[in-house]
Amino acid sequence: NAGVTQTPKFQVLKTGQSMTLQCAQDMNHEYMSWYRQDPGMGLRLIHYSVGAGITDQGEVPNGYNVSRSTTEDFPLRLLSAAPSQTSVYFCVAGRGGAYEQYFGPGTRLTVT
Amino acid sequence: GENVGLHLPTLSVQEGDNSIINCAYSNSASDYFIWYKQESGKGPQFIIDIRSNMDKRQGQRVTVLLNKTVKHLSLQIAATQPGDSAVYFCAENLFSNYKLTFGKGTLLTVNP
Repeated sequence: NAGVTQTPKFQVLKTGQSMTLQCAQDMNHEYMSWYRQDPGMGLRLIHYSVGAGITDQGEVPNGYNVSRSTTEDFPLRLLSAAPSQTSVYFCVAGRGGAYEQYFGPGTRLTVT
Repeated sequence: GENVGLHLPTLSVQEGDNSIINCAYSNSASDYFIWYKQESGKGPQFIIDIRSNMDKRQGQRVTVLLNKTVKHLSLQIAATQPGDSAVYFCAENLFSNYKLTFGKGTLLTVNP
C-alpha cells in the first residue's frame, strides 16, 4: 500500500495562474481532507470530504475548490493563485472520527 | 515542511533522557486526541492516540497522558534518541466530527 500520495512535490506559480494539486489514497478510507501549513500558523483545514460526492469547507477555504468523484481521489484546485497561497499543502485520509488519519508527503507551493 | 519549527516552543534534551511535551487543547467537548511527529521536509506521522474515556495510554517508548479537568495533553518519550528530533503536534477531534484541530507544535531537539 502506498497510503496517501500527492503530486507534485514542488510547484512554482505566477500570480493569477491556476493549478490542481493531486491527492490519491489506496486505503479505501471515506474521509479525506486538505490542510495548509505555514510557519507560526500551524496546520489549518482548507476543505474536507466524508465520502464520494460530499465536500465541505474547513477553516480557510477561500481561493480553493475541491471535488470528490471517487473514494480514492481528492484534488485541490487553485483557480487564481495569490502569493498568500504560498504554503505547504497536505492531503489526509482516514476513517474519520476517533480514528487515525494519515498524511501525505506534502506539496510545497510558491506563488510569485 | 521546511521552517515549520520557526516561532515554536522548543525543548532540548540530552540523548537518553526522558522528554515531556505538553499541549493545551481548546475544546472541552473533544473526545479524541492524537500526537503527530513531523520531521523536516516530511508530512506529520501518527505516533499515538487516546480517547477521552482514558487518562493514559502507552505505546513503544511513548506515553500519552490526558487531563480533561484542565484540558491538557502530554507526550512522554522514554530514552530519547537523536531520531526523535522533530516537531510534535497534538490534535483534537470530536467523535462525531471529522475535523482535526491542531496545536501549534513543539520543536524537540535531542543532543547526542
